[in-house]
Amino acid sequence: EIRMTQSPSSLSASVGDRVTITCRASQSISNHLNWYQQKPGKAPKLLIYAASSLQSGVPSRFSGSGSGTDFTLTINSLQPEDFATYYCQQSYNTFGPGTTVDIK
Amino acid sequence: QVQLVQSGAEVKKPGSSVKVSCKASGDTFSRNTISWVRQAPAQGLEWMGRIIPVYGTANYAQKFQGRVTFTADESTSTVYMELSSLRSEDTAFYYCARVGSGTGGSLDSWGQGTLVTVSS
Repeated sequence: EIRMTQSPSSLSASVGDRVTITCRASQSISNHLNWYQQKPGKAPKLLIYAASSLQSGVPSRFSGSGSGTDFTLTINSLQPEDFATYYCQQSYNTFGPGTTVDIK
Repeated sequence: QVQLVQSGAEVKKPGSSVKVSCKASGDTFSRNTISWVRQAPAQGLEWMGRIIPVYGTANYAQKFQGRVTFTADESTSTVYMELSSLRSEDTAFYYCARVGSGTGGSLDSWGQGTLVTVSS
């Protein structure tokens, strides 16, 4: 079974900051990697699919990159509504443990 | 775009079973693959498996093999998740989610979640 890890587990940032979250797979998963945002009490929301494709309706400040085992989610110019928990997921399979972005 | 509406909260005794429903609307139901994901209180997301309603075929995460069953009723566009031999650790929100078409196997539409509480 492929295991997903994320780093950091949490981070504090300010509005306008650039934030980077890393996801690593225990073996190569090509580009079969998705990113989700979840706010308290809500269902997750798809941000990025296939490692780097922006889901329709998601602001362009979100971007994804990587392939194989190492992936990155970047949020350029963090906005107040971006404070949330972010999860990576191997397609059709396991999620990473999550990264919580809170206000510095 | 598909909308997924789940059944209401459940309280169950340890050792019993729970069946959660997920009704789809707004898209051709049988063409979709539906996944189930759960989230224990203050914990992360856990993929449970998926079902392809048109074929009735399901794949389960190893952790839940033998204890979970996904079924589908095409006549009502509803997918069901049944989890048996419940224990306190199964207390969680259970979500159904659609595997998007052309989105690399990602989950692009989600139900609102169903809270299952297991308590004696």
